[in-house]
Amino acid sequence: EVQLVESGGGLVQPGGSLRLSCSASGFMFSSYTMHWVRQAPGQRLEYVSAISSNGGTRDYADSVKDRFTISRDNSKNTLYLQMTSPRTEDTGLYFCVKGTYDFWSAYWDYWGRGALVTVSP
Amino acid sequence: DIQMTQSPSSLSASVGDRVTITCRASQSIRNYLNWYQQKPGKAPKLLIYGTSTLQSGVPSRFSGSGSGTDFTLTVSSLQPEDFAAYYCQQTYSSPPTFGGGTKVEIK
Repeated sequence: EVQLVESGGGLVQPGGSLRLSCSASGFMFSSYTMHWVRQAPGQRLEYVSAISSNGGTRDYADSVKDRFTISRDNSKNTLYLQMTSPRTEDTGLYFCVKGTYDFWSAYWDYWGRGALVTVSP
Repeated sequence: DIQMTQSPSSLSASVGDRVTITCRASQSIRNYLNWYQQKPGKAPKLLIYGTSTLQSGVPSRFSGSGSGTDFTLTVSSLQPEDFAAYYCQQTYSSPPTFGGGTKVEIK
């Protein structure tokens, strides 16, 4: 059974930093593109970032570019999102999502339950 | 970015009803349209990908259709477990974008 479990969420001050982790199991983690998606309260789902299976290719939404860094450790089956200089508008539920073999995944077939990040003074 | 517009934003229906949700893209996305179901406190679940392909394990009462800019998700006979929020997503161009969601509530 595929499982994605996010951790590391919490309260962070604007300008601080926070690292989210996603522990994956039930599939060959090292073979798949992985994504971060977020949902602000009452808002639609929003793409945040993607990383290729070997970590060589990364992509970011314009809203987080140069502030967030996606990475992965295939030896630990773990995906990360380093959030630096967060803003209040970064508040939301952050989902770890499994893509396909292709970097530009046509669909995302498994999601975690999310980690709540609150950015507030 | 491609804008995705879903309608309605919410609807009330009864068990057994046929329900249709529409999703419109701001430009052609060919058939790169997916549908997800989200229940409170649960991980979103892929229902349909590529406009009309049912994800493994998804009941056949769910179906999808459309092409270009206009798409629909249909539930042929609503079941109690189907009351949830539904989102469309385009993956035709980067960044992938989602519709605003449709909340299906019990009448």
